Amino acid sequence: SQTIHQWPATLVQPVGSPLSLECTVEGTSNPNLYWYRQAAGRGLQLLFYSVGIGQISSEVPQNLSASRPQDRQFILSSKKLLLSDSGFYLCAWSPGQGPEQYFGPGTRLTVT
Amino acid sequence: TQLLEQSPQFLSIQEGENLTVYCNSSSVFSSLQWYRQEPGEGPVLLVTVVTGGEVKKLKRLTFQFGDARKDSSLHITAAQPGDTGLYLCAGEDIVGNEKLTFGTGTRLTIIP
Repeated sequence: SQTIHQWPATLVQPVGSPLSLECTVEGTSNPNLYWYRQAAGRGLQLLFYSVGIGQISSEVPQNLSASRPQDRQFILSSKKLLLSDSGFYLCAWSPGQGPEQYFGPGTRLTVT
Repeated sequence: TQLLEQSPQFLSIQEGENLTVYCNSSSVFSSLQWYRQEPGEGPVLLVTVVTGGEVKKLKRLTFQFGDARKDSSLHITAAQPGDTGLYLCAGEDIVGNEKLTFGTGTRLTIIP
């Protein structure tokens, strides 16, 4: 069966520091991968998605970037965090044969 | 930009009561999904509806896709405390590119 991992689970970082969040998927190959951000108790905003290694599409202009160095690895980064980057970051995968997406446990980021 | 508005935003009812949550848009979607999210966790897929007018049942949960594929509803019969959570609808772009637009969310609390 497929599983998706995210780490760290929680992170507190000062303004201006760098960021690296990692997501890995097991049990599947060539998945579509997604990064979302969620404001407290609200819907999800799509940040990036990828249909293959090195193929990244950005949905919103922002302080963040994404990379996919391996088939089942998706990384969310920032060179300098802003207060507004605080939130709950979710990684998701889909098999690419339908709309269903499967989410990781999320990372709670607090920028101080 | 496609928007999915959910109503109500918050709902608190007694155990055993029935409830309906709505998901509305002015855009057409090729499919629509419902997710439930527990605090601090990622959303979990409940159902996908793809045909206008389609009705799907999952135990005490009934999902309906509008005839015009612009709206959906989730009806829960005899609500239980385990139904508590954030309910999110998500629509797949009509192009079928497997990107999802998420609704604004409904926070449901079932009081024992």
